[in-house]
Amino acid sequence: EVQLVESGGGLVKPGGSLRLSCAASGFTFSDYSINWVRQAPGKGLEWVSSISSRSTYIYYADSVKGRFTISRDNAKNSVYLQMNSLRAEDTAVYYCARFTTSSWFDYWGQGTLVTVSS
Amino acid sequence: DIQLTQSPSFLSASVGDRVTVTCRATQGISSYLAWFQQKPGKAPKLLIYAASTLQSGVPSRFSGSGSGTEFTLTISSLQPEDFATYYCQQLNSYPRTFGQGTKVDIK
Repeated sequence: EVQLVESGGGLVKPGGSLRLSCAASGFTFSDYSINWVRQAPGKGLEWVSSISSRSTYIYYADSVKGRFTISRDNAKNSVYLQMNSLRAEDTAVYYCARFTTSSWFDYWGQGTLVTVSS
Repeated sequence: DIQLTQSPSFLSASVGDRVTVTCRATQGISSYLAWFQQKPGKAPKLLIYAASTLQSGVPSRFSGSGSGTEFTLTISSLQPEDFATYYCQQLNSYPRTFGQGTKVDIK
C-alpha cells in the first residue's frame, strides 16, 4: 500500500525554524518526484516546493524561496522541508505528494500542521 | 507564472444535478491540467489528470475536457458524497499553480 506520512509540524514563533519530514512506503521511492503543498486555514491549496527523484531539479514558490530548503534521502525513503525565518503567513497544513509524468499527484500524505505565532 | 481562475467559486446543487466547473489559464498549458476533490480535514484526491484522463477508482460520473487555456470538470449526476471543494492544477510549468477552488454545496 502506498503511504506518505508527514511529521514535524507544531507551534513555532515568528522568525523560528522547523523541519518537516515526509516518509514514504509501498512504492519505489527513488522513481518519484516529491512535492510539498500547503493549505492555510480556510484557504485554498498552494504549491510550495518540488524535488526530482535524484535531487537534480529543485523548485520553490516565490513565497518561500530563500527561506525553505527541500532535500531527500532515497536510502531512507524520505523527503525533508527545512523551514527558516518563519512568518505568520506560513501557518498551514503541509502535505507531501508524489509525482511522475504518468502518475501525477496521485498520492498525498495526511498533512502536518505548522502554526507560526508568538 | 501561470494563473488559474475557476468559476464559479461556489455553487449550490441538488443530488442528481449535472454540475460543471470551469478552469481558465492565463496562458496555454496544453493538456497539463489535473482536477482534485477535497473534503474538510482531508488531503486532496486526484480525480482527473492530463485534462481528461480519469484516475483509477474514480467514478465515471466525473469527466474532464479542454486543452490550451480552458478546461471543464463535469459531474454528470451529483451524488451525496460529491459535496466537496474542487481544485484545478496546472503541471505545464513551475510554479505548479492551483485554482482558487470551487465549493459544491447542497441546495
